[in-house]
Amino acid sequence: GAVVSQHPSRVICKSGTSVKIECRSLDFQATTMFWYRQFPKKSLMLMATSNEGSKATYEQGVEKDKFLINHASLTLSTLTVTSAHPEDSSFYICSARRQGEDTGELFFGEGSRLTVL
Amino acid sequence: SQKIEQNSEALNIQEGKTATLTCNYTNYSPAYLQWYRQDPGRGPVFLLLIRENEKEKRKERLKVTFDTTLKQSLFHITASQPADSATYLCALDEGNTPLVFGKGTRLSVIA
Repeated sequence: GAVVSQHPSRVICKSGTSVKIECRSLDFQATTMFWYRQFPKKSLMLMATSNEGSKATYEQGVEKDKFLINHASLTLSTLTVTSAHPEDSSFYICSARRQGEDTGELFFGEGSRLTVL
Repeated sequence: SQKIEQNSEALNIQEGKTATLTCNYTNYSPAYLQWYRQDPGRGPVFLLLIRENEKEKRKERLKVTFDTTLKQSLFHITASQPADSATYLCALDEGNTPLVFGKGTRLSVIA
């Protein structure tokens, strides 16, 4: 099966700092990757759709200047939480589909637990 | 408004029994419906996909049904085992749009 690697799995930072999370598709190419946020016992909330070589599409209510997404290659997307605050503490998960597939299963990373002190 | 509802937040069943989880949706027209398993602190893992023109899909001890008239999918785990304990998420795929996930049902299989 296809593998998506997410790094770091856990990060603790001070309020006001920026944190970068990487999402890599290890054995397939992904034109599109998706970033989700999940609070405890809550559903996955789509934050943005990351498109290789173009700007990300953000969901309503998600601040694009706060959550910077870069999809520089067909195997790597990054999410940078800028000037993080305690309310940004959450579980961030990326996912991807194989290149050329507009539908079908999503391959998820293992998630990144962000704690902002 | 659009809604996806999974029948209960938590479901406890005895080992060996069949677990049945429900996913209902409102104001969506999914071309596909998917089920994922999520363990605590991990990303979801794909289990099954069923198309709108399919009534039923099976994979080992798993069975999924899809009724577009009732706007409902049922997810069954037969001969359940404690290792099946996890949160199960249904997701709607309208085609060419991102998946939309339900809140999930936390299944506990008691030995």
